[in-house]
Amino acid sequence: GAVVSQHPSRVICKSGTSVKIECRSLDFQATTMFWYRQFPKQSLMLMATSNEGSKATYEQGVEKDKFLINHASLTLSTLTVTSAHPEDSSFYICSARVDRGVYEQYFGPGTRLTVT
Amino acid sequence: AQSVAQPEDQVNVAEGNPLTVKCTYSVSGNPYLFWYVQYPNRGLQFLLKYITGDNLVKGSYGFEAEFNKSQTSFHLKKPSALVSDSALYFCAVRDNPPARGSTLGRLYFGRGTQLTVWP
Repeated sequence: GAVVSQHPSRVICKSGTSVKIECRSLDFQATTMFWYRQFPKQSLMLMATSNEGSKATYEQGVEKDKFLINHASLTLSTLTVTSAHPEDSSFYICSARVDRGVYEQYFGPGTRLTVT
Repeated sequence: AQSVAQPEDQVNVAEGNPLTVKCTYSVSGNPYLFWYVQYPNRGLQFLLKYITGDNLVKGSYGFEAEFNKSQTSFHLKKPSALVSDSALYFCAVRDNPPARGSTLGRLYFGRGTQLTVWP
């Protein structure tokens, strides 16, 4: 089956530093990738949608200069949290979609970011 | 606008008993409906989906869901719950397949239902 990986699975960083999270589709090509944020015991909040080779589309209220998304290839998208602050601490989940047929969407295992 | 409602934050059942996790939806076109399960500190795992066809959909781990168009519901069910079924369950809806590479066709998630199965 289709597998989406994320790296790292958890990261702790100091306030003011930047952190990059990678999302890879391991056995399929993903034209579209999604980045979600999840707070404890809450639903997934869509942050942005990225398409290979073009700029990401951010949801309302998500700062694009703070959450940089690069969809460099059909198998890799990255989310960089710039100048991280403790309030950016969260669980970040990526998802990759196969844009044909049923447009199946597959989810990564998530990355736990803690900003101290 | 697309939306999903999961009216119960928490569902508690005893092991061996049947379980139901409720979901209702609102979508402009024909719905594509999904159930996902999330274990602590993990991503979402796909359970089942309804696209078209039989209203009763069977999925992973013995789960099934019934699509009811008149009630706009897609409740998740399992005849006999296991302690290992304890997790957070999300219902999601999407409208017709999107144009290639567009942001249309995004999934809309319910707020989640925490299922606890007691031994």
